[in-house]
Amino acid sequence: SAVISQKPSRDICQRGTSLTIQCQVDSQVTMMFWYRQQPGQSLTLIATANQGSEATYESGFVIDKFPISRPNLTFSTLTVSNMSPEDSSIYLCSVERRDRAYREQYFGPGTRLTVT
Amino acid sequence: SQQGEEDPQALSIQEGENATMNCSYKTSINNLQWYRQNSGRGLVHLILIRSNEREKHSGRLRVTLDTSKKSSSLLITASRAADTASYFCATVRGSARQLTFGSGTQLTVLP
Repeated sequence: SAVISQKPSRDICQRGTSLTIQCQVDSQVTMMFWYRQQPGQSLTLIATANQGSEATYESGFVIDKFPISRPNLTFSTLTVSNMSPEDSSIYLCSVERRDRAYREQYFGPGTRLTVT
Repeated sequence: SQQGEEDPQALSIQEGENATMNCSYKTSINNLQWYRQNSGRGLVHLILIRSNEREKHSGRLRVTLDTSKKSSSLLITASRAADTASYFCATVRGSARQLTFGSGTQLTVLP
């Protein structure tokens, strides 16, 4: 499986500020995704991070709130902008390996965000 | 939005017993994957079963898939306290690459 790291692992932020989360993979991957997991809930896809182009957002998520970058095949960032307490969640990136035929996805360790 | 539901929502068993979790989904799929999450940390990929497969094994894990009923089950045999975690099913639809997660089952294995 791919080795995926995320920074920071956790943070406590003030309302109205922004936080950028980094996702680094140890090998080139075709697909990278960002998910949100609200407290006690399952995972919801925020967007697909496309290399060299704008991310593809799911319904209910917009670029102004969650800008995403993916400058190459091993790295992506997610920014949570103008945060409110409702943004308190675990944010996870996932990747799909190029050499895997059946679309297995592997997840990073997550970033636990608390907004006060 | 979540495609599927899992039941039970919570399951508590004794060490050594088997644990069965069920997952139902709503639309046709390309494959279904099971993940484990320990205490709100990252997800660990357990097993993938393709839509043309009916059963798959990996160590103490057994996964079944019934596409006619749009359901899957995960069986963990001879459970251990270390199996205590949340278990999620996730589906991939058609040519899409994104995962759609079920609601999850919280498994507690008592020593």
